[in-house]
Amino acid sequence: DGGITQSPKYLFRKEGQNVTLSCEQNLNHDAMYWYRQDPGQGLRLIYYSQIVNDFQKGDIAEGYSVSREKKESFPLTVTSAQKNPTAFYLCASSDRGSRNQPQHFGDGTRLSIL
Amino acid sequence: QKEVEQNSGPLSVPEGAIASLNCTYSDRGSQSFFWYRQYSGKSPELIMFIYSNGDKEDGRFTAQLNKASQYVSLLIRDSQPSDSATYLCAAGGVLSNSGYALNFGKGTSLLVTP
Repeated sequence: DGGITQSPKYLFRKEGQNVTLSCEQNLNHDAMYWYRQDPGQGLRLIYYSQIVNDFQKGDIAEGYSVSREKKESFPLTVTSAQKNPTAFYLCASSDRGSRNQPQHFGDGTRLSIL
Repeated sequence: QKEVEQNSGPLSVPEGAIASLNCTYSDRGSQSFFWYRQYSGKSPELIMFIYSNGDKEDGRFTAQLNKASQYVSLLIRDSQPSDSATYLCAAGGVLSNSGYALNFGKGTSLLVTP
């Protein structure tokens, strides 16, 4: 079945540690996105990528990094510079650039600080 | 700032009633609008999208769009306890590099009581 797979489901980060969240899709979508959701809050855009080997900062990119070496994969690294990383992280994808295409989400990764 | 506003709720309706969820948006350039349902602890799931002024029906759901008033709504007929969730409204917006992303509201919590 086509879909978006995020792993792990739960992740714990120690002080000063970088952690990487995986996102893989087999929907053949060009565009991929990372969002952060805090309790009672909407989704805030961290990074997005419209095509392979290209990505752009969203509204809250500080303390995060991404890569897009393959169409199917868009991993997110939460660096030690992100002082408040505890949140629910959601990866999404859509057909490239089309303003009428919805985004589809993975199941999310919950990140907490140890 | 491109904002999407929703009443956080909770909106409580009895089983079998019509639930009405509302959303306003600030970016007049937005041309597509999406409603997502999010159960507690889960990722958002697309329910409906609408691009043109007027009503769009899909089963028990009706989306309404009024671009002049910058207003989107979602009606749920014959509400069921399983409809209890947070409903996120999203407006499609153009990014600075001509990419495309969604601006999300914070969501309205719906509680359907038996």
